[in-house]
Amino acid sequence: AQSVTQLGSHVSVSEGALVLLRCNYSSSVPPYLFWYVQYPNQGLQLLLKYTTGATLVKGINGFEAEFKKSETSFHLTKPSAHMSDAAEYFCAVSEVTGAGSYQLTFGKGTKLSVIP
Amino acid sequence: KAGVTQTPRYLIKTRGQQVTLSCSPISGHRSVSWYQQTPGQGLQFLFEYFSETQRNKGNFPGRFSGRQFSNSRSEMNVSTLELGDSALYLCASSLAVHGMNTEAFFGQGTRLTVV
Repeated sequence: AQSVTQLGSHVSVSEGALVLLRCNYSSSVPPYLFWYVQYPNQGLQLLLKYTTGATLVKGINGFEAEFKKSETSFHLTKPSAHMSDAAEYFCAVSEVTGAGSYQLTFGKGTKLSVIP
Repeated sequence: KAGVTQTPRYLIKTRGQQVTLSCSPISGHRSVSWYQQTPGQGLQFLFEYFSETQRNKGNFPGRFSGRQFSNSRSEMNVSTLELGDSALYLCASSLAVHGMNTEAFFGQGTRLTVV
C-alpha cells in the first residue's frame, strides 16, 4: 500500500515570505501525486497534480510543486504568501487497484498560518 | 458546469440511529468515491462506485454501505451510529475509467454529528 507523509502539521509564515510544505510518499509504481487545499468547513480543492512528463508542476493561486523521484518527494511551494493562503493543505497519492478502480491516499495535512 | 453537490450539509443524529447521505457528481462523471475525515484519522477512503458497481472498498465495518444509481448519483448509509462516526463525509467525482488517474473533484461535505 502506498503512504504519504507530510512533515509539519502546522507551518507559519509571514505575509510575502516563501511557503514550503513538505510531502514524501512511498510507492512501488510510478505515482500520481496531488496537492489539495481545504478551507474551514469546505471540501477539498485541487491545487495541482503530477501524472507524467515535466517534473515541475504549476497550479492555481501561484503554487507549484516539484516531483523528485530519487527523494520520493513532492514539496509544495509559493514564492510569496498571501493572507488568503491560510488553510489546510493535503498531499495525496493515487493508487490503482486490481479492479480498475482507484483511491487517493492522503497525508495528515499541514495547516498553514500567514502572519500579517 | 455545476460542481459536486452533497446533501445535507449538516446532520445531527443519536447513537443507534441510521443516516443516509447523498452525492450528485459533476455531469458526465461516472466514478464517485466517498471519504471520511476526522481530526484523529485524517482522510480515509470508504468506497468507490463506477456505473452502479462498487469497485473498491476501504477498511470500514459493514455498517458503512453505499450505492450508485443509473444517473451516477450516489448515497452512503451508516447504520447503528456510534459516537466515533462523527466526521465530515466527503464525496468526490471523477472521469476515471479503467484505472485512469484523472483528478477527483470534491463536494463541500456533510458534517455528521452523533450524540
